Amino acid sequence: QQQVKQSPQSLIVQKGGISIINCAYENTAFDYFPWYQQFPGKGPALLIAIRPDVSEKKEGRFTISFNKSAKQFSLHIMDSQPGDSATYFCAASIGYGQNFVFGPGTRLSVLP
Amino acid sequence: DAGITQSPRHKVTETGTPVTLRCHQTENHRYMYWYRQDPGHGLRLIHYSYGVKDTDKGEVSDGYSVSRSKTEDFLLTLESATSSQTSVYFCAIKQGANTGELFFGEGSRLTVL
Repeated sequence: QQQVKQSPQSLIVQKGGISIINCAYENTAFDYFPWYQQFPGKGPALLIAIRPDVSEKKEGRFTISFNKSAKQFSLHIMDSQPGDSATYFCAASIGYGQNFVFGPGTRLSVLP
Repeated sequence: DAGITQSPRHKVTETGTPVTLRCHQTENHRYMYWYRQDPGHGLRLIHYSYGVKDTDKGEVSDGYSVSRSKTEDFLLTLESATSSQTSVYFCAIKQGANTGELFFGEGSRLTVL
């Protein structure tokens, strides 16, 4: 029940296209869903996060869509750029608790 | 930059030897974490600390111990390293109980031969 599933494992998108990464969870107690972005050789960094009281959150080209009934959430990157090429991790936690459960990651490559 | 420094950044060791990884922060945050990152598994929590001498186990704590004798330092020890502990280890801090953002260090790559 603690697992967070993430797909696809890897994604190749042309510059200007839309990148979509999906995550699903089982534990209905999760109520905080962040996305982290990681560049090679660096630690992950928070990109955007959502709580289940809203169905969508947008920050610039990045949007989280949240479907509470389906227990799914997704990251959409509009107008994808080569600089977006990185590994993306979804995560979930209960409140701002100590144990964030991470998905296995999606390696995104945006072709110029 | 949350002022997190991990050391060493790279280490190669042999099975059965002890290894200690250090995480140092400069901003006196209460919450510190050790994660390991492996392909196909994302990041998994090993141990965390919520204050000096206050630590607790995470999802994959077997074979690891931690210590926090000062606010700024959180040490991760592998008492007897095994090949299954070959991984990239990340330290993270959280700035408060009412914030969800984790700030990660740049990682320590450990290879156990």
